[in-house]
Amino acid sequence: QVQLVQSGAEVKKPGASVKVSCKTSGYSFTGGYYIHWVRQAPGQGLEWMGWVSPKTGGTHYAENFQGRVTMTRDTSTSTVYMEVSRLRSEDTAVYYCAREESVDTTLMLDFWGQGTLVTVSS
Amino acid sequence: EIVLTQFPGTLSLSPGERATLSCRASQIIRSRSLNWYQQKPGQAPRLLIFGASIRATGIPDRFSGSGSGTDFTLTISRLEPEDFAVYYCQQYGNSQFTFGPGTRVDVK
Repeated sequence: QVQLVQSGAEVKKPGASVKVSCKTSGYSFTGGYYIHWVRQAPGQGLEWMGWVSPKTGGTHYAENFQGRVTMTRDTSTSTVYMEVSRLRSEDTAVYYCAREESVDTTLMLDFWGQGTLVTVSS
Repeated sequence: EIVLTQFPGTLSLSPGERATLSCRASQIIRSRSLNWYQQKPGQAPRLLIFGASIRATGIPDRFSGSGSGTDFTLTISRLEPEDFAVYYCQQYGNSQFTFGPGTRVDVK
């Protein structure tokens, strides 16, 4: 069965960086399924951050995160990574990875990781 | 950038009642580009409806989606206790995904 398992909670100081992993299994990692990252601040809604193509390594970031987010993948371990630099308190959130599925021309996020809480505090 | 608005912000209903949730886009979007997710406290979102009206695998038929253009609706025909949650619409276009702010369905 498809599974996305994320790394554990992190506590970081303002200005630091954090790197969250998302290990996938149960499907072909390089089979054309993009992995997206979505975050959710405490008590708030979902905010889309961008995607990475495990097949090519290509990426696309939301405008709000360009220059501060880097998404990468390791095909040997079927794992994708999302790194946020220059952290500030407003980056405190649960970060989710999710797999993009395509049916005809319809795109959707069909499987999600369990989420990783990143707390930014001095 | 397409902005999604959801209303009402909160819907207070009793089990067995019908829930009607709305999602409005700031410009016309393709119906195939509109999805709905359910999120319960402490859990990741779960895909409910894709392409505006197609139920995802394992989703009960009390959930239905409709709409086109700028106006889309998620309907829960008879609320079950496990349906009280937050619901998000989401659209994509030009390689970008956007989520609405969500509608909370809680127990009256």
